[in-house]
This record gives sequence, C-alpha cells and structure tokens, in this order.
Amino acid sequence: DAGVIQSPRHEVTEMGQEVTLRCKPISGHDYLFWYRQTMMRGLELLIYFNNNVPIDDSGMPEDRFSAKMPNASFSTLKIQPSEPRDSAVYFCASSVVGQPQHFGDGTRLSIL
Amino acid sequence: AQTVTQSQPEMSVQEAETVTLSCTYDTSESDYYLFWYKQPPSRQMILVIRQEAYKQQNATENRFSVNFQKAAKSFSLKISDSQLGDAAMYFCAYRSKGSQGNLIFGKGTKLSVKP
Repeated sequence: DAGVIQSPRHEVTEMGQEVTLRCKPISGHDYLFWYRQTMMRGLELLIYFNNNVPIDDSGMPEDRFSAKMPNASFSTLKIQPSEPRDSAVYFCASSVVGQPQHFGDGTRLSIL
Repeated sequence: AQTVTQSQPEMSVQEAETVTLSCTYDTSESDYYLFWYKQPPSRQMILVIRQEAYKQQNATENRFSVNFQKAAKSFSLKISDSQLGDAAMYFCAYRSKGSQGNLIFGKGTKLSVKP
C-alpha cells in the first residue's frame, strides 16, 4: 500500500516567492494533517482536515499560510510570500478515526 | 493545555544492549493516547508503539516496550537488543482520546548506537 505522498521532497526558493507543498493521503483516510518541524519549536500542528473540511487551523502562523483540500486525495499548503523564517520541514499525515497518524516523508523547505 | 517533556536530548547505547528513553506529560484528561515515533536521518516519521491510557497493560512491539505509569504521567520507551538501525530521533507524543486532531510532541531524544 502506498503511504502518504508528499511533493516536492526538497524546495529551495528565494524570499518573496510563492511556495506550494502537496500531499496525497492514504486512500480511505478521512483525516489529514499538516505539521511543521524546526529545531527551535520542534513539531507543530499547523492545520487539520476531516472529510476535506478544515477543523482546526489555529496553528497556522499567519495569513501568508493557507491550506486547501479540494478532494479526499489531495491537499496543498501554500506560503505567499515566503520568508527565510519559513524554512523548515513540512510534514503531511493522514489517519482514520481512532487510529494513529501516518506521516509522509516531509518536504524540506529552504527560503533564501 | 497538555505538554510533553523529553528530558534527555541525547542518549547512547552499545549495540545489543538495552536503553530506556524517558517521557513525561501533563494533562487533566483521564483518557488519551500516547505514542513513540522514530525519525531516522531519512526524515521519515515512523510509528514505533502506541499506548491507550485506559489500558493498564504496557504495550510491546518486538524489541520495543513501554513503561506506562499513569499516576506519575510517565511513558518511557525501552529498546532491547539495540541495533545500529535503531539510531534515530525518538519523539514521544500525546493525543486526546476525544480528538482526532492535535498530536502534541516532545522535543525528541537523539539515540546513538555504538557498534
């Protein structure tokens, strides 16, 4: 079975550019999560969806960040405009109710 | 708010030996889940083991076992017969039973395995 698939694996871009991170959850999973990992703050939940509907976006840092889930098999996390402090590893995870979250391999984002 | 604390930033173990990683948490809830995730240099987040708070029996997965002390709010991970492939960051995490959402992670413990 395919796990959670994230793309790209690495992204390097210049400050001010728009960045789009993509995630395909495990088929049949109705929960999708976006996390950010930094040395300073560790792993933090940014937002999560249930049945494509955002449930909790309180972890989204600011208006420059947005996330969408247009269908059950695809989600995006967008940063516009990007800043150097957005550099981090971004993880997508998915699950079904009552079961552990399964993580993708993450996207390492570097903003120059 | 719930918090998870891992007090050992780094640990080291000799191959084939046993090591215990510590985790404490703070919560006012009575039912919840606790997890240990492993993150090797490849960056994947791999679920190692899960414990449900209402189950008194400690969870075990092959060489990995936990010591769950609910009253003390402690959830340590024991790795027996350590292997080189066990070298990784280990994260303890908490999730409320009633919520499918927020996993609250500790800062992690970096485990090195010496041949």
